[in-house]
Amino acid sequence: DADVTQTPRNRITKTGKRIMLECSQTKGHDRMYWYRQDPGLGLRLIYYSFDVKDINKGEISDGYSVSRQAQAKFSLSLESAIPNQTALYFCATSPTSGRADTQYFGPGTRLTVL
Amino acid sequence: QKEVEQNSGPLSVPEGAIASLNCTYSDRGSQSFFWYRQYSGKSPELIMFIYSNGDKEDGRFTAQLNKASQYVSLLIRDSQPSDSATYLCAVKENYGQNFVFGPGTRLSVLP
Repeated sequence: DADVTQTPRNRITKTGKRIMLECSQTKGHDRMYWYRQDPGLGLRLIYYSFDVKDINKGEISDGYSVSRQAQAKFSLSLESAIPNQTALYFCATSPTSGRADTQYFGPGTRLTVL
Repeated sequence: QKEVEQNSGPLSVPEGAIASLNCTYSDRGSQSFFWYRQYSGKSPELIMFIYSNGDKEDGRFTAQLNKASQYVSLLIRDSQPSDSATYLCAVKENYGQNFVFGPGTRLSVLP
């Protein structure tokens, strides 16, 4: 199922580099989310957006920024990557109506910061 | 800080047995509860959601909710090796639109 795609799927970078992770969706959902997953900590919300003009910080937004370029695109940036940002990053979408509580996840981006 | 807690496991059960996964949450006003399954290296996928106290059954899966005890569980009947995965409990915030995830319980079904 390629309704939610993430690029790149894997990335190794060095401390201090700027990194952008991209998410695209063809589901037509207004709501998009960025999470990171660390072993033993589950999924933690970084940023979320309920429409193109709405951007909100999540639980762990420090060191990250986002851009909602269109309904279908939501990008996550690390302005100056640090090693403790090494994690698995997931983008997710959800509809506004109907099964609004269902989140659909992308395949994930594994980021390693050396 | 809203919290969702789960035993990290691993929980090991023999094939054909019932696997019982548990989750507690701190936000007493939460109304929506979810179970996601995540295979190693893959993304989470929703398998059950429950809104009302009591049991909700879907095939081999049963979700149980007790709001008074702030407890939600997932039962998997006739467990199969293909059920081996990490199960994430998620709770939707009462006054927000976001989801708080537990750390997950790793289930291993032994053939």
